[in-house]
Amino acid sequence: DAGVTQSPTHLIKTRGQHVTLRCSPISGHKSVSWYQQVLGQGPQFIFQYYEKEERGRGNFPDRFSARQFPNYSSELNVNALLLGDSALYLCASSLVGSGASGYTFGSGTRLTVV
Amino acid sequence: AQTVTQSQPEMSVQEAETVTLSCTYDTSENNYYLFWYKQPPSRQMILVIRQEAYKQQNATENRFSVNFQKAAKSFSLKISDSQLGDTAMYFCAFRDSGAGSYQLTFGKGTKLSVIP
Repeated sequence: DAGVTQSPTHLIKTRGQHVTLRCSPISGHKSVSWYQQVLGQGPQFIFQYYEKEERGRGNFPDRFSARQFPNYSSELNVNALLLGDSALYLCASSLVGSGASGYTFGSGTRLTVV
Repeated sequence: AQTVTQSQPEMSVQEAETVTLSCTYDTSENNYYLFWYKQPPSRQMILVIRQEAYKQQNATENRFSVNFQKAAKSFSLKISDSQLGDTAMYFCAFRDSGAGSYQLTFGKGTKLSVIP
């Protein structure tokens, strides 16, 4: 089985632009979460989606939005990019209600805002 | 809000030796889950080991084991017989067990270097 796949792997954008990041979960996983990892820090929770509904949101501005599709894949959108949005964006999938089984992460999208 | 603290930004260990990474957390919850994730230069976060707070027995996964002290809110990771492939960032993470509470709260990480 394929793991969690994210695209693109790297991206360079200019301040003020918009970006869309994509994630495909492991087959059978219905929940997708997004995390932002700034260099030298641990990942910070942005969103969690399950069955196309937002189930959790971290402390991020409204410039960040996401959605989940019927096939459980997900997009993270960021508007009006700032230099501080430069980070590794990680997607994680999980079986809802799986308790301590944890999350499976993708390899991330490295976003650089110039 | 839960917080996770990893007080060792960097550590090193000789190949085949044992090393312990520290993690403390703060929560008012009684039931929760704790995880250690490994992040090599490939960037992918890989689950190393997990612990359920209601289980008193410490989790073990081959060369990896934890020392879970619930009262002290401590969750350290011991790596035995260290291998070069263990070189990576290690993150401790917390997750509330409440319904709908699926977010992970991570510490800042410990950079582990295994020296040949």
